[in-house]
Amino acid sequence: EVQLVESGGGLVKPGGSLRLSCAASGFTFSSYNMNWVRQAPGKGLEWVSSITTSSAYIYYADSLKGRFTISRDNPKNSLYLQMNSLRAEDTAVYYCARGQYQLQGLNYYYYMDVWGEGTTVTVSS
Amino acid sequence: DIQMTQSPSSLSASVGDRVTITCRASQSIRRYLNWYQQKPGKAPKLLIYAASSLQSGVPSRFSGSGSGTDFTLTISSLQPEDFAIYYCQQSYNTLYSFGQGTKLEIK
Repeated sequence: EVQLVESGGGLVKPGGSLRLSCAASGFTFSSYNMNWVRQAPGKGLEWVSSITTSSAYIYYADSLKGRFTISRDNPKNSLYLQMNSLRAEDTAVYYCARGQYQLQGLNYYYYMDVWGEGTTVTVSS
Repeated sequence: DIQMTQSPSSLSASVGDRVTITCRASQSIRRYLNWYQQKPGKAPKLLIYAASSLQSGVPSRFSGSGSGTDFTLTISSLQPEDFAIYYCQQSYNTLYSFGQGTKLEIK
């Protein structure tokens, strides 16, 4: 069964750090781009970061201002999100999601086809 | 950045109704548009990718259309399990922005 399981969430004080993990199983992890998406309480989805298969290309939402770092360990089938200088507005459920490409004609279309159940991060004093 | 705007923000409908949700991009995204469904307390689920391609296992009552800046998600005959929040997402560039969501409620 294809599965993603996030962990590492919790309560942290403003200015603190947290490292999220996402364990993948049931597919060849090293063949897929991976993503982090978050959802603040009662709010919509916000894309956070993406990483390509070999970590050659990494992308972040502008709003993060260099505080977050995405990484992956392919032999361990794991994705990570290091979050520093945390703020109250970072409080959210953080999802990891697998990226998939589909070739149609001459175009590759990208979408997120497998999601974990999420891990909750609460930033509060 | 590409801004994605959905309308309406919420919608009341009855079982059996035909429902259409609209997503507009702030610039042309050709057909790089995905739709997701999210139920309370659950992870999002992919419904449609590349504007109109149905993800495997998704019922055929869901369909997507559009290109450029204007897109629609249509549910041909609402079922009880379809009441949820729907999000569009652009994948034209690598800042994969989402729309703000459309909450579909039971009338």
